[in-house]
Amino acid sequence: GAGVSQSPSNKVTEKGKDVELRCDPISGHTALYWYRQSLGQGLEFLIYFQGNSAPDKSGLPSDRFSAERTGGSVSTLTIQRTQQEDSAVYLCASSSWWDGGGNEQFFGPGTRLTVL
Amino acid sequence: QKEVEQDPGPLSVPEGAIVSLNCTYSNSAFQYFMWYRQYSRKGPELLMYTYSSGNKEDGRFTAQVDKSSKYISLFIRDSQPSDSATYLCAVSYNQGGKLIFGQGTELSVKP
Repeated sequence: GAGVSQSPSNKVTEKGKDVELRCDPISGHTALYWYRQSLGQGLEFLIYFQGNSAPDKSGLPSDRFSAERTGGSVSTLTIQRTQQEDSAVYLCASSSWWDGGGNEQFFGPGTRLTVL
Repeated sequence: QKEVEQDPGPLSVPEGAIVSLNCTYSNSAFQYFMWYRQYSRKGPELLMYTYSSGNKEDGRFTAQVDKSSKYISLFIRDSQPSDSATYLCAVSYNQGGKLIFGQGTELSVKP
């Protein structure tokens, strides 16, 4: 595709429910990143995928957060038993650095998650 | 202490002004330096990307990295109302590595 796409664009859920957020990277980009942006914490790294493996999961805030990537393309970020502090914009980025391209990360529009 | 410090502003300037945005960072091991622009309710958009020290110019935008001072800057010449956005600096240790962001500076350019 032309850019990184994310769905849904907005998600409202009740505390305690599970949510799944989807990211579709730029075609051919094998590096994929998840970040979270909140008013209090700014923009924070969550997890990095190279292909289908995740060499850096250091930013996941708790074991309620998990992510997977299949086929080296689409990634899903899952938050179990959501809490109000999970409310944030979840951003996905992709990069072609592993494929001989530049180091730049290109971001999608984000999913705005609100936990009531 | 945060790894990257950035004055959150807000910063308001008249159209045509030169804008200077700055960040400081704490770890000399950072090698890659970026500036992103983010419009309200949109994802960050890459503006400038620099490896190591030096200057880089692209149109009205100039990025500077001073590794000796651990200081990075973005200058915007002839600022336009369309430049009104939040500007985020970001750093990275290595190629393909995670980005560490400053808090972002909210800029408003008044016509």
